[in-house]
Amino acid sequence: DSGVTQTPKHLITATGQRVTLRCSPRSGDLSVYWYQQSLDQGLQFLIQYYNGEERAKGNILERFSAQQFPDLHSELNLSSLELGDSALYFCASSVWEGGAGVTGELFFGEGSRLTVL
Amino acid sequence: QKEVEQDPGPLSVPEGAIVSLNCTYSNSAFQYFMWYRQYSRKGPELLMYTYSSGNKEDGRFTAQVDKSSKYISLFIRDSQPSDSATYLCAMSGVDSSYKLIFGSGTRLLVRP
Repeated sequence: DSGVTQTPKHLITATGQRVTLRCSPRSGDLSVYWYQQSLDQGLQFLIQYYNGEERAKGNILERFSAQQFPDLHSELNLSSLELGDSALYFCASSVWEGGAGVTGELFFGEGSRLTVL
Repeated sequence: QKEVEQDPGPLSVPEGAIVSLNCTYSNSAFQYFMWYRQYSRKGPELLMYTYSSGNKEDGRFTAQVDKSSKYISLFIRDSQPSDSATYLCAMSGVDSSYKLIFGSGTRLLVRP
């Protein structure tokens, strides 16, 4: 158990809909990262937050948004969903703000599997 | 061209074999190199971490980094069925904008 909690584990929805994925980081970790994993694209970095502020942005679509709340949990909002958004969405946390840190370790949750029909 | 290239496999080997997993990359700014292991239906977990060039050994696992060739490797000795998983290489630079870039992963199957 990594200590990172993601909900829901599975989600099935229709095109055009909006969903919210939730992540609770490990106790004490201030950074939260969101990744998208699909069969053809591998693990793609979406966005990072540190202590409530956006720190780095990857290949995140404009239809997607995220935030980190004062209690450090994070939410990833996906709107106007398309078939191609079907993927595993991972949240990861670490104590580091930037750089790979001493250990380079990110602690991943078990993911939220989104299926768009 | 992707920043990090990794052969997706699958790679099937008999128990006890030596396994070699590899990644190439294009960004010369990468300084930190990692290997993550991902079991089916689970999130990735850190297996090995190295900084800059050189080798690092941990039990049956050895990670090698050749920055001049932009090539990293993970060797698994005496492979076990429990090593069956997807192995993802990951790397990042030294700037404050933290982006850990992953390879697409190599699926490994160790046959008993």
